[in-house]
Amino acid sequence: AQSVSQHNHHVILSEAASLELGCNYSYGGTVNLFWYVQYPGQHLQLLLKYFSGDPLVKGIKGFEAEFIKSKFSFNLRKPSVQWSDTAEYFCAVNAGGGYNKLIFGAGTRLAVHP
Amino acid sequence: EPEVTQTPSHQVTQMGQEVILRCVPISNHLYFYWYRQILGQKVEFLVSFYNNEISEKSEIFDDQFSVERPDGSNFTLKIRSTKLEDSAMYFCASSEGIGSEQYFGPGTRLTVT
Repeated sequence: AQSVSQHNHHVILSEAASLELGCNYSYGGTVNLFWYVQYPGQHLQLLLKYFSGDPLVKGIKGFEAEFIKSKFSFNLRKPSVQWSDTAEYFCAVNAGGGYNKLIFGAGTRLAVHP
Repeated sequence: EPEVTQTPSHQVTQMGQEVILRCVPISNHLYFYWYRQILGQKVEFLVSFYNNEISEKSEIFDDQFSVERPDGSNFTLKIRSTKLEDSAMYFCASSEGIGSEQYFGPGTRLTVT
């Protein structure tokens, strides 16, 4: 069965620190990969997505993620976080092949202190 | 910017009662979904819907659940006889096509007492 693992459940950073959130998935075929963010009291919003092509994808608000096929990973990065990045971050996989369902990781709760 | 909307934002119901959660997907989208998130757990896929029929469903989506697109704009999730373990946040989502970005609504928090 397909699954998504996010290794960090809670991350606490100071402003201007660099961020990397890990995401690994288990599925041997073609995948589409997503990072969603949920700010406090708001709904899930797409940060970035990877379907094909350049494995380094850039999203909104200065976030980027790198797809490493050999490692089944899609880690999220931001060089310098801000207090407004405090949110929960979800990695998700869509296993292609006509299947539409998203399989989510457990989420990482990020708190950025000023 | 177009949004997925959901009503109500919070629903409290007694065990055994029927509930209907409502969603208005983005108007030109063709694929519709329901997910749920039990407190402290992962967001889980329930069902996807295309061309007026279920295209995929999870093992959670048993006979107690049904979905419907009663008109050109609404997409509903019905739980026939609610159980305590149905308490969760239910998210509706829609997308233009297979594999494309899914846009999520704000969710309905269902509390079964």
